[in-house]
Amino acid sequence: DQQVKQNSPSLSVQEGRISILNCDYTNSMFDYFLWYKKYPAEGPTFLISISSIKDKNEDGRFTVFLNKSAKHLSLHIVPSQPGDSAVYFCAASAEGNLIFGKGTKLSVKP
Amino acid sequence: EAGVAQSPRYKIIEKRQSVAFWCNPISGHATLYWYQQILGQGPKLLIQFQNNGVVDDSQLPKDRFSAERLKGVDSTLKIQPAKLEDSAVYLCASSLGRLRIVQYFGPGTRLTVT
Repeated sequence: DQQVKQNSPSLSVQEGRISILNCDYTNSMFDYFLWYKKYPAEGPTFLISISSIKDKNEDGRFTVFLNKSAKHLSLHIVPSQPGDSAVYFCAASAEGNLIFGKGTKLSVKP
Repeated sequence: EAGVAQSPRYKIIEKRQSVAFWCNPISGHATLYWYQQILGQGPKLLIQFQNNGVVDDSQLPKDRFSAERLKGVDSTLKIQPAKLEDSAVYLCASSLGRLRIVQYFGPGTRLTVT
C-alpha cells in the first residue's frame, strides 16, 4: 500500500525548458512534504519542502506546489539545466517520519 | 560542516554470512535513521534513534537485523545471517531532532548478497 506515489518513472526535458515532477499521496495526516535529489552513488540531497498549510514554496529555480484537496504536489524546475539530471524523490512526513515515493529520473538534454 | 559519513561504501557477501555498516551523523544531530533502498524503490525506514534510544523499529526485521547507537553518536547496523533479498543500498540519515523534518543523508553502503 503505497502512501506516496510518483507515477512517472522518468522524464526527459530540453535544457532551458520547464521540468514538472509530480507526486500523489493518500494519507491526509501528512503535514510536510519534501523533495530530494539523488545522483548515482550518492545519498539523497534535500532540495525543498512545503508545509501542509501552504500551497506554494519557491527557492530559486525550484518551486513546489501543493494541492491538498487533490492530495497532489509538484516540483517545477525553471529553467532546467543539464546538472539537474538526477532521480527526484518525493517524501511526506507525519510526526517526523518520512515516507518516500519510488522516484522520477529526470534527464535534461543540452 | 561535515556531512553524514558511512562505511564501507560497498560490500559483497555470500548468503548466510554477516555484515555490519557504520554511520557517523552530523555533529549535534540527535536523531539518526537507517533506511534500506532496494533498486527502483524509494528509501524505506528501518530504525530511528533519538540520542541512544530507539524511537521506531517497527520495520526492522529483528530476526536478522540489529542496530545500536552507543553514546548517542555513531551507529552500527548489522545483518546476520544475510539473505539474497537484503541486497540494497543502506542509507544513514540524521536530523537535529525527531520533529525537525529535514533529514540529511550519507552516501550509503551498497550491499550485494550472492
